[in-house]
Amino acid sequence: DAGVIQSPRHEVTEMGQEVTLRCKPISGHDYLFWYRQTMMRGLELLIYFNNNVPIDDSGMPEDRFSAKMPNASFSTLKIQPSEPRDSAVYFCASSFWPAGELFFGEGSRLTVL
Amino acid sequence: AQRVTQPEKLLSVFKGAPVELKCNYSYSGSPELFWYVQYSRQRLQLLLRHISRESIKGFTADLNKGETSFHLKKPFAQEEDSAMYYCALIRGSTLGRLYFGRGTQLTVWP
Repeated sequence: DAGVIQSPRHEVTEMGQEVTLRCKPISGHDYLFWYRQTMMRGLELLIYFNNNVPIDDSGMPEDRFSAKMPNASFSTLKIQPSEPRDSAVYFCASSFWPAGELFFGEGSRLTVL
Repeated sequence: AQRVTQPEKLLSVFKGAPVELKCNYSYSGSPELFWYVQYSRQRLQLLLRHISRESIKGFTADLNKGETSFHLKKPFAQEEDSAMYYCALIRGSTLGRLYFGRGTQLTVWP
């Protein structure tokens, strides 16, 4: 297994544009997590899914952010419209159970100009 | 509220010296605690968790509920231990929500 796969690895966009980040979890993992990493706030959980259903989205900063998981092998995190303060590394992770080991992707580095 | 505190952003030791990465948490219940590590150009990965009581790559961590600490220790550091280390906590009431500390960058000099 190639592990958790994220795309794109790097994204540079202009303020106001829509950004879509993608994640493919490890096959068989029922839990998928989206984290954001910034210098100011460290690693923060944005949202997590169990069996494709969002369980806790209290970390989603505002309505500009949305996440979906249409099936067990794919999830997206969308920012519309993007702002410079959204610049961060976004990590996707998956696991067998909610308190288990998280397997992280390589991250998507977003820069909003 | 900061639930996991790693007081040192940077820590440097020489090869063969003991190393301790500090982690304190704030939670009155029974937490599950973890150490994650990110080596250069690699993914963030689990190093150890307190319920396993294992020694991984020579590292150990003991949960001290009285001091609410979960410090990571290794008696003899190696150059390949240089990495970013994150302490993390799950509260029993919010499974799935893993709280991370800000991380400590460990550098082991030859």
